[in-house]
Amino acid sequence: DQQVKQNSPSLSVQEGRISILNCDYTNSMFDYFLWYKKYPAEGPTFLISISSIKDKNEDGRFTVFLNKSAKHLSLHIVPSQPGDSAVYFCAASPLSGNTPLVFGKGTRLSVIA
Amino acid sequence: DTGVSQNPRHKITKRGQNVTFRCDPISEHNRLYWYRQTLGQGPEFLTYFQNEAQLEKSRLLSDRFSAERPKGSFSTLEIQRTEQGDSAMYLCASSLAGGVEAFFGQGTRLTVV
Repeated sequence: DQQVKQNSPSLSVQEGRISILNCDYTNSMFDYFLWYKKYPAEGPTFLISISSIKDKNEDGRFTVFLNKSAKHLSLHIVPSQPGDSAVYFCAASPLSGNTPLVFGKGTRLSVIA
Repeated sequence: DTGVSQNPRHKITKRGQNVTFRCDPISEHNRLYWYRQTLGQGPEFLTYFQNEAQLEKSRLLSDRFSAERPKGSFSTLEIQRTEQGDSAMYLCASSLAGGVEAFFGQGTRLTVV
């Protein structure tokens, strides 16, 4: 049972344009949501997070939006750069970090120069 | 380097052999997690520790898998009688108790031949 779903396995975007990665979740107990970025043969690297009390969090070129009623979040990258090419994982945590993260299957982003 | 360290980075073993992986977390982190990642999937939670106490182990994939964190610092993950289906990336992460963000090591790539 996939509690965190990333329905797009891959996404291609031109350099300089916006990348939008989507994530849906089913467990209404999730309080915190995180995005991780993973290069081949490396471990995931934390990118940005959002608490369920917010609907938007921004960090430089990265913005995460949360729609609790729709159980949906998205990661926007503007402008996209070739170095952003990686697999992006959405993760969720129930009970404010007191239990392990639950991950989606990931979306492979390719930014084309 | 004060990040999470995993050793070895790669391990090739014959089916039926035992393997052990080591994880050194960030020094001030009291939580340590083990995840497994297979191709096309997100990290799948296996087990975690708070200090030396193993708080969850029901997600270990079979009784061939075991983990320890004897002094609350480094941890080991052992797989006995390896099978080809055990081939995967094994990821370790650490965090502060109650912290949301987990920091991952670079992983150990296991290949069972």
